[in-house]
Amino acid sequence: EDKVVQSPLSLVVHEGDTVTLNCSYEVTNFRSLLWYKQEKKAPTFLFMLTSSGIEKKSGRLSSILDKKELFSILNITATQTGDSAVYLCAVLMYSGGGADGLTFGKGTHLIIQP
Amino acid sequence: NAGVTQTPKFRVLKTGQSMTLLCAQDMNHEYMYWYRQDPGMGLRLIHYSVGEGTTAKGEVPDGYNVSRLKKQNFLLGLESAAPSQTSVYFCASSYSYSYSNQPQHFGDGTRLSIL
Repeated sequence: EDKVVQSPLSLVVHEGDTVTLNCSYEVTNFRSLLWYKQEKKAPTFLFMLTSSGIEKKSGRLSSILDKKELFSILNITATQTGDSAVYLCAVLMYSGGGADGLTFGKGTHLIIQP
Repeated sequence: NAGVTQTPKFRVLKTGQSMTLLCAQDMNHEYMYWYRQDPGMGLRLIHYSVGEGTTAKGEVPDGYNVSRLKKQNFLLGLESAAPSQTSVYFCASSYSYSYSNQPQHFGDGTRLSIL
């Protein structure tokens, strides 16, 4: 059975701290791994990773994929209260029939205290 | 920029009632998806569509039906609502993966309660 496991499930840190969120996966026919940020409503896209060892970066957020060890990390430096959210990791697999959906982890609930 | 629009945003039903959730996207995406999100379970795929007139089952399809009569719309139907279908429903869309690796874009969700 395909699965995506995120850790920790929840995390509370102080503003300015650096956090690392983890995502491991066991899936067949891996195609890409995606990170989303979910505040109150729609998950919003952060990164898509397809190649191992290549870091994607956007401002204070960065992510990297290790296809050999089957995991990804999302780093957030100099955290701000606006970073408080649930961070979702999802895996897209190749499918002969077309577009299977994403398989999601349960998410990491990140709380940034002022 | 509307993106993915879901209607309604909230709905309360009684057990046994039926309803249809509407998803509309204006990005000319080929693929559309319906997910449900439950506490402690993450997002799970209900049904998806790779094009107008085609639909397929996802991970948790039982109790739901879908239709894609127009490229921009994807409807999710509950024929006889059950309390276990209380959830937040998200629609998403994306370009065809045959052309590019592009992310799915999500709507704001529909919060559905079945009493």
